[in-house]
Amino acid sequence: EDQVTQSPEALRLQEGESSSLNCSYTVSGLRGLFWYRQDPGKGPEFLFTLYSAGEEKEKERLKATLTKKESFLHITAPKPEDSATYLCAVQAGGTSYGKLTFGQGTILTVHP
Amino acid sequence: EPEVTQTPSHQVTQMGQEVILRCVPISNHLYFYWYRQILGQKVEFLVSFYNNEISEKSEIFDDQFSVERPDGSNFTLKIRSTKLEDSAMYFCATGQGVYQPQHFGDGTRLSIL
Repeated sequence: EDQVTQSPEALRLQEGESSSLNCSYTVSGLRGLFWYRQDPGKGPEFLFTLYSAGEEKEKERLKATLTKKESFLHITAPKPEDSATYLCAVQAGGTSYGKLTFGQGTILTVHP
Repeated sequence: EPEVTQTPSHQVTQMGQEVILRCVPISNHLYFYWYRQILGQKVEFLVSFYNNEISEKSEIFDDQFSVERPDGSNFTLKIRSTKLEDSAMYFCATGQGVYQPQHFGDGTRLSIL
């Protein structure tokens, strides 16, 4: 069974204080690892897809990296508007038809 | 930017009643999904749908659940006889390809009384 574990559960940062979020996974034949941002009362908003170990993607203050067992979401010099829940999800190959398996998320709060 | 639209945003229903949740996918997307999120828990996969057929479903998606694309635009999730434990946020997601990113709507909050 595919499993995704995110840590920490919650993270409080001061504005400008860089940090990283972790996503550990076990999956039979990874097809893709996805990062989403979720604001309260909203649906997950797509950020990145990573397909193979060693791959990196960047968008503004966010950078996602992937190894064979985990992914990191690095946040550089965060701003209060980066406060949200960040979700990691994996997609398996084989007989899967696109099903995403999610972690429980990391609640990020950035204080001004 | 195109987006997935879900209606209603909030649905309150008596236990045992039928509910239909609606989703308008992004226009060139071919793969459709339903997920749910019980308060404080992970987002859980329910079902995937492609070419007017269910591709995959989870153990949660039992005989009380059904999906269809009745008019080629809307994508619906029906729960025939709701239970208290069906109370959750239901998200529709759509994608261009099976391994392409899935784009989510803002969800329908379903409250069963």
